[in-house]
Amino acid sequence: QKEVEQDPGPLSVPEGAIVSLNCTYSNSAFQYFMWYRQYSRKGPELLMYTYSSGNKEDGRFTAQVDKSSKYISLFIRDSQPSDSATYLCAMSFGGYQKVTFGIGTKLQVIP
Amino acid sequence: GAVVSQHPSRVICKSGTSVKIECRSLDFQATTMFWYRQFPKQSLMLMATSNEGSKATYEQGVEKDKFLINHASLTLSTLTVTSAHPEDSSFYICSARDFGGTGELFFGEGSRLTVL
Repeated sequence: QKEVEQDPGPLSVPEGAIVSLNCTYSNSAFQYFMWYRQYSRKGPELLMYTYSSGNKEDGRFTAQVDKSSKYISLFIRDSQPSDSATYLCAMSFGGYQKVTFGIGTKLQVIP
Repeated sequence: GAVVSQHPSRVICKSGTSVKIECRSLDFQATTMFWYRQFPKQSLMLMATSNEGSKATYEQGVEKDKFLINHASLTLSTLTVTSAHPEDSSFYICSARDFGGTGELFFGEGSRLTVL
């Protein structure tokens, strides 16, 4: 069993839709949770960073963590074509420890 | 935000040759840098942790003699793929943690290696 499971997609949505991206994990010792966005042939860039259960909002993005279910989500409101990218969930045991990534979900927002 | 520069972005080499990839933190000092490898439709796989002034720490299954890492200064780490073979063709990405700032992990743009 992989430590972090993420559906690779692809996921296609119309512009303006609400997008829900999810990951599950097996190790309850993970404490820090991140979402990265990666455009084609580019390095990942950090979108959201949380460490407690609950919701964290930043503009059109909301990260949700449910440690009891070992489940994290990223919601994108009013999706735009520029949001088309691969979204990787990531997690670590500590704030400065190595990061384990999901496989990434490819998202396409259609104008 | 902090910037990590990686060079070259693309390299094509013949089988048996060695290739060096550079990773630089441009506006912060990085005592620790990380090297990842990414295959198509697979997640980022951590290869090694590069520590300034000391030996790198390799993940299980990564050949240290094949993937030489040097972290000679606080802003530069290099990955050398020695005696490259076609199976080494991949996307290599470095990252550095800005310990002096937010602690965020910043990634380079990646280097696409193709071994013929």
